[in-house]
Amino acid sequence: GQSLEQPSEVTAVEGAIVQINCTYQTSGFYGLSWYQQHDGGAPTFLSYNALDGLEETGRFSSFLSRSDSYGYLLLQELQMKDSASYFCAVIRPMDTGRRALTFGSGTRLQVQP
Amino acid sequence: NAGVTQTPKFRVLKTGQSMTLLCAQDMNHEYMYWYRQDPGMGLRLIHYSVGEGTTAKGEVPDGYNVSRLKKQNFLLGLESAAPSQTSVYFCASSYSPVDTSLHNEQFFGPGTRLTVL
Repeated sequence: GQSLEQPSEVTAVEGAIVQINCTYQTSGFYGLSWYQQHDGGAPTFLSYNALDGLEETGRFSSFLSRSDSYGYLLLQELQMKDSASYFCAVIRPMDTGRRALTFGSGTRLQVQP
Repeated sequence: NAGVTQTPKFRVLKTGQSMTLLCAQDMNHEYMYWYRQDPGMGLRLIHYSVGEGTTAKGEVPDGYNVSRLKKQNFLLGLESAAPSQTSVYFCASSYSPVDTSLHNEQFFGPGTRLTVL
């Protein structure tokens, strides 16, 4: 079966750094993506890791360790607008042979002043 | 560019009624997807398409059908709605398959909030 675990809620203060962890168990793995979703909004793409290591995009970084089936999203210099839900998603094979995203349940980040 | 648009934004159905959700994208993307999102949960893939005229089942396809007659449009049909299909439905598109290094990000529409009574 497939499973993704991420914390349900995280709270941090403006200007701080926060790390959102994601552990996964899946038969077949091709990469890990992260998406952000504000309340009532559509998910938006943040990052993609296919190989081990750190990918940096501005204030956001994403890390993957395939041997540990683990990844994280790091948000630096938190701003109030970063309050949102963050989803990790594994890329895995479907029964059809094609590959697709399977999303975790999301981590709700609250940034406080 | 409008990106990905979805019609309608809201809909209330009675059990047994049918409806079609329309998704349109103007980015010339090959790949299109339909997801559903239930409260406190991530998105689950219903059906997807890797090109005009092709569709495939995702994780939760039962009770839904899809068609991709034109590259820019992806339709999701509910033949006989059930209360368990109450959800927010998101359409997405991407230039490349999910497992490629470049241009694999999925662009999502604003969602359709469907309630089945």
